[in-house]
Amino acid sequence: EAGVTQFPSHSVIEKGQTVTLRCDPISGHDNLYWYRRVMGKEIKFLLHFVKESKQDESGMPNNRFLAERTGGTYSTLKVQPAELEDSGVYFCASSQVGKNIQYFGAGTRLSVL
Amino acid sequence: AQTVTQSQPEMSVQEAETVTLSCTYDTSESDYYLFWYKQPPSRQMILVIRQEAYKQQNATENRFSVNFQKAAKSFSLKISDSQLGDAAMYFCAYRGATSGTYKYIFGTGTRLKVLA
Repeated sequence: EAGVTQFPSHSVIEKGQTVTLRCDPISGHDNLYWYRRVMGKEIKFLLHFVKESKQDESGMPNNRFLAERTGGTYSTLKVQPAELEDSGVYFCASSQVGKNIQYFGAGTRLSVL
Repeated sequence: AQTVTQSQPEMSVQEAETVTLSCTYDTSESDYYLFWYKQPPSRQMILVIRQEAYKQQNATENRFSVNFQKAAKSFSLKISDSQLGDAAMYFCAYRGATSGTYKYIFGTGTRLKVLA
């Protein structure tokens, strides 16, 4: 069974540009989460989808971040325009409904120069 | 608000020896879950071990075990017979058991080096 897949693994962009991160959850997992780790700090929650609906987006830092999950399968996280402080590792995780274990991807390392 | 603290940014252990990684947390909830995840360099973060707060017995998974002290809000991870493949970042995480509370709260991580 394939795990959670994130693409790209690394992205380097300039301040002001747009970047889109993609996450493919484990098949059949209705819950999908985005997290972010800024260098040396804790991994912080960004938002949670149940199928295509946003269940909790309390961790989204500002309106430059837009997450979508059309059709309830894969999800994208767009940052537009990117700022220097957006640099970090973005993790995606998925879980089955009613289960408390989340399965994580390898993350996308975003560097904003 | 719940918080998770990992006070050891980096630890080293000799191969075949035992190491303990510390984690403390703060919560006002009575029921919750605690996790240790491991992330090898550039690879997926994987679950090492899970503990349900209502269970008094400490969780064990092969060479990995926890010392769960609910009153002290402590959740340390012991790795016995350390192997080179144990080298990774280790994250402690908390999740409340309240319905609708799904997000994990993580600590800052501990980088474990295993010396041959």
